[in-house]
Amino acid sequence: AQTVTQSQPEMSVQEAETVTLSCTYDTSENNYYLFWYKQPPSRQMILVIRQEAYKQQNATENRFSVNFQKAAKSFSLKISDSQLGDTAMYFCAFSRSPYNNNDMRFGAGTRLTVKP
Amino acid sequence: EAGVAQSPRYKIIEKRQSVAFWCNPISGHATLYWYQQILGQGPKLLIQFQNNGVVDDSQLPKDRFSAERLKGVDSTLKIQPAKLEDSAVYLCASSSLGHYEQYFGPGTRLTVT
Repeated sequence: AQTVTQSQPEMSVQEAETVTLSCTYDTSENNYYLFWYKQPPSRQMILVIRQEAYKQQNATENRFSVNFQKAAKSFSLKISDSQLGDTAMYFCAFSRSPYNNNDMRFGAGTRLTVKP
Repeated sequence: EAGVAQSPRYKIIEKRQSVAFWCNPISGHATLYWYQQILGQGPKLLIQFQNNGVVDDSQLPKDRFSAERLKGVDSTLKIQPAKLEDSAVYLCASSSLGHYEQYFGPGTRLTVT
């Protein structure tokens, strides 16, 4: 069974600084997909970034980037130039197939607070 | 484009009572998911529909939970009877066939007393 672990329940960062959220996972699969979701206080969850395991290049979306270490089964999220609107819960998620999301597994989340 | 709609946003019931949640996915999205998110945990999939058929309900407590999506559009999730441990946020999400991104609704926060 796939498991996702986020070892940082809470983190804080000063506005405009950089923060990294950690995620590790366990799987015996070779091909899979990893996601970071953001859940602001309003609770509407949105996809931040995704990474396909077969791609060596780390995904980047504007200020958000990942450090994907397949051998170490690590998938961290880096937020650059943090903004107040980045304050939210961040969930790491694993899926064997993005087209069959019934096996998507979420971590417990990291609560990020961006301080002015 | 309208997002995923859910109602009610909040519900408080006593244990052993019944409750129903409603979800209207994004227009044209064939796949619909119901998740349970207990405080301090990530979402856990309860059931997945593709059109009006169930793809997976292996984590749905079928003795008390039921869900339907009769016309392949909106869906209802019911709990009968509720237990204290059912207190959680119930999230609905939808996605297009063959696309990875799930779009989530605002959720329904259920408190069972």
